[in-house]
Amino acid sequence: DVKVTQSSRYLVKRTGEKVFLECVQDMDHENMFWYRQDPGLGLRLIYFSYDVKMKEKGDIPEGYSVSREKKERFSLILESASTNQTSMYLCASSPSLFSSYEQYFGPGTRLTVT
Amino acid sequence: EDKVVQSPLSLVVHEGDTVTLNCSYEVTNFRSLLWYKQEKKAPTFLFMLTSSGIEKKSGRLSSILDKKELFSILNITATQTGDSAVYLCAVRGNEKLTFGTGTRLTIIP
Repeated sequence: DVKVTQSSRYLVKRTGEKVFLECVQDMDHENMFWYRQDPGLGLRLIYFSYDVKMKEKGDIPEGYSVSREKKERFSLILESASTNQTSMYLCASSPSLFSSYEQYFGPGTRLTVT
Repeated sequence: EDKVVQSPLSLVVHEGDTVTLNCSYEVTNFRSLLWYKQEKKAPTFLFMLTSSGIEKKSGRLSSILDKKELFSILNITATQTGDSAVYLCAVRGNEKLTFGTGTRLTIIP
């Protein structure tokens, strides 16, 4: 079974803090993704990575950065958290970017920025 | 820009009813369409469709894709309270999945 884990289920941070969200997958997948999910807006792609040290902007990258130093780990960084970044953050992985494989999701991190 | 539209946004039915959820899309270089079920946490995969007209079936759930008219439907027969969830449709284009906003299905006992 593919397992995608995220470092925290719930996180509360203050405006201006630097926030790290960690995601680890154990299936040697090449591709990893970070989404945020907000009511009425669905899942929106923030960044994705198709290889170690490679990253691509998704639909809403502003205010975020990512890091992929190892194949199994993909980190999402909020350099200076703001209240409009309060959201559910979902990490996903998939074996191949240019095929039709489904993405496997982690349990999500609910981030509240106060 | 790739686009996925799901309808209805929400649906409330009685246990035992049959429901049909809709997903229409516009995407560059279509590769596949996926359905997910999301309860309290992460979306879980239901179906992946790549070819028109071929029904995918899993128990009481089934789905079909029409690549000419650019839509898919997800059917659930004999609904149960455990079917209550948000159902997400996603379409893979060139590089990434584009998700719809989901249909929230509530089953009343």
